Amino acid sequence: GIQVEQSPPDLILQEGANSTLRCNFSDSVNNLQWFHQNPWGQLINLFYIPSGTKQNGRLSATTVATERYSLLYISSSQTTDSGVYFCAFLNTPLVFGKGTRLSVIA
Amino acid sequence: EAGVAQSPRYKIIEKRQSVAFWCNPISGHATLYWYQQILGQGPKLLIQFQNNGVVDDSQLPKDRFSAERLKGVDSTLKIQPAKLEDSAVYLCASSFNDRGNPLLYNEQFFGPGTRLTVL
Repeated sequence: GIQVEQSPPDLILQEGANSTLRCNFSDSVNNLQWFHQNPWGQLINLFYIPSGTKQNGRLSATTVATERYSLLYISSSQTTDSGVYFCAFLNTPLVFGKGTRLSVIA
Repeated sequence: EAGVAQSPRYKIIEKRQSVAFWCNPISGHATLYWYQQILGQGPKLLIQFQNNGVVDDSQLPKDRFSAERLKGVDSTLKIQPAKLEDSAVYLCASSFNDRGNPLLYNEQFFGPGTRLTVL
């Protein structure tokens, strides 16, 4: 099945900094979602983004299916952005990456 | 619109005991998923239902885990007997899936999860 690799595994940012999280796939994808898992364990939808670019406030995401990757951009990070960010390939079999653990320090 | 509901939120049991988790998906969502998330890892799909039929249960340990969605709405996941390695968060998610093909998944929405500790 498809392998999902996320990078970096860990990231520490000063509040206000920008960051880019990456998700690589072993094959082309057409069904992808980004999630944020907050420190209380709740998985929150960020983007359902099979292709193209979407933006929501300080967050944006881009998926280039033919190049087998997706990027999540966080601008002007805040302490509430801390947590683990997952990308997931939503076809069969359904696969989550191992996540990027983000810590934003005030 | 109400989100995905799960209960209980926490459960502590002894090994070899049985336990059941309940999930109620978002109204109108045909597809329901159960995931297991072990600490430090991403969620792993255990089983996927399309209405009351099973689409994928390839990673469900069928010797001890079972799940049902009898009326195509809410679902229960059971573990019997539990082992220490079953300690995890069990997440339920649902999606609308308007494409009519259960192998192509729409956006998923997750419930708060049930944290299981097996002693």
